[in-house]
Amino acid sequence: DTAVSQTPKYLVTQMGNDKSIKCEQNLGHDTMYWYKQDSKKFLKIMFSYNNKELIINETVPNRFSPKSPDKAHLNLHINSLELGDSAVYFCASSASYSGRSEQYFGPGTRLTVT
Amino acid sequence: GENVEQHPSTLSVQEGDSAVIKCTYSDSASNYFPWYKQELGKGPQLIIDIRSNVGEKKDQRIAVTLNKTAKHFSLHITETQPEDSAVYFCAAIVNDYKLSFGAGTTVTVRA
Repeated sequence: DTAVSQTPKYLVTQMGNDKSIKCEQNLGHDTMYWYKQDSKKFLKIMFSYNNKELIINETVPNRFSPKSPDKAHLNLHINSLELGDSAVYFCASSASYSGRSEQYFGPGTRLTVT
Repeated sequence: GENVEQHPSTLSVQEGDSAVIKCTYSDSASNYFPWYKQELGKGPQLIIDIRSNVGEKKDQRIAVTLNKTAKHFSLHITETQPEDSAVYFCAAIVNDYKLSFGAGTTVTVRA
């Protein structure tokens, strides 16, 4: 009965590789997000999709490309991984159609680039 | 954009005492202020929130206050317990989607 799930939980890879992180929510929400948490625990939004449409695209390198195949899924693909991409990536979702702003987070994916 | 400042960065309290975390925001249009608790190795968990038309909200041992004039809001945890030890984040939202987070407060409850 997991609400927001992410795979994988851990991802260790070498510089230059391409990797993807997947997110799924079973809350019936219409908006999904990707956040990055750095080593100092700072949380910053990267992207947001509402009904599969990109609505927030922060200053993120073009190597990061989100894709939302449907309202319940939001994936994050990262090309040419760099050391500075090492962080914990969180997916979140919310129900904008209800006028509610609460965002619910997944368990995170710890990405380590060596 | 919205800028949220959070203090203190670390807080150590004796079990049973109260803990207070304070945040300020910059955009007067912000209208929603959630608080998240993040335990080690887990994602942030929404614990309480307040909207700009409310001054105070309480849920058992947790309460949040909002002062719109001064643009600050606070989290109060009473009768702290060891399981309250975690990192707490305040946040503010201007439109319906974009949350801006504070830098976090690491709370340690000493037994």
